Amino acid sequence: EIVLTQSPGTLSLSPGQSATLSCRASQSVSSSYLAWYQQVPGQAPRLLIYGAFSRATGIPDRFRGSGSGTGFTLTITSLEPEDFAVYYCQQYASSPPTFGGGTKVEIK
Amino acid sequence: QVQLVQSGTEVKKPGSSVKISCKASGGTLRSYPIGWVRQTPGQGLEWMGRIVPIVGLATYAQRFQDRVTITADTSTNTVYMEVNSLRPEDTAVYYCATIRAPPQGYWYFDIWGRGTLVTVSS
Repeated sequence: EIVLTQSPGTLSLSPGQSATLSCRASQSVSSSYLAWYQQVPGQAPRLLIYGAFSRATGIPDRFRGSGSGTGFTLTITSLEPEDFAVYYCQQYASSPPTFGGGTKVEIK
Repeated sequence: QVQLVQSGTEVKKPGSSVKISCKASGGTLRSYPIGWVRQTPGQGLEWMGRIVPIVGLATYAQRFQDRVTITADTSTNTVYMEVNSLRPEDTAVYYCATIRAPPQGYWYFDIWGRGTLVTVSS
C-alpha cells in the first residue's frame, strides 16, 4: 500500500500568515488522485481538495493544492482563525486508500 | 445536501460485537456509495470498507475483512457496520462518509457523519 508522510508535524503560525503543508508518497500517486482534509478538534474531517488541486464545494480560494507524482502541497494563504486545525492528505490511486499522519496548524 | 447521522457512543467488552448505524437525511442512499473510516490515536485515519447501497455490494480493507460486515437498508436510508471480536485496540471514533470516485482509481470521502465513539474495555 502507498504510505503518505506529512510534514511538518506541527506548524506554528499567526493569523494572516501563509501555511505550506507537505505530503510525500512512498510511490507515485497516479493521475494525481490525492485529497486533503481539514479536521477541527471534536469534529469530523472535512474535504478540502480532491484531484490534487480541485477545491471541494464551498471551500474558499485561500486553500490551494498542488503537486504530482510523489510530492504534494497544500498552501493556505492568509490564515483565518478557523483554519487552525489538523490537515490530512489521502491517496486514492491504489487500494487501499490511505491517509497521511496529519499536520497540525496551531496559533503561534 | 445529504447529511449523515450516526448512532451514539458504545462501550463494549473485548470479544463482543458492535453494530453502528449511519442514516442519510436530506437525500437517498441510492445515490451515494458509503465508506467507513476509523480514527485511532495510534493508527490515525484508516479506511475499513464501503458499500454501494443500491446493489448491496460491500468491499473491505484486507485487514478488516474477517471481522467487519457492512450492510444497507435502502427502505430506511441507513447503512450499518458491524465489527466482531472487538479488541481494546479497536477503541476509536468510527465515521461514515459518502464516497466520490473518479472513473479510474479508488475513492475519497466527501460528506462525513459526526462519528461514533466505540470504547472497548474490560
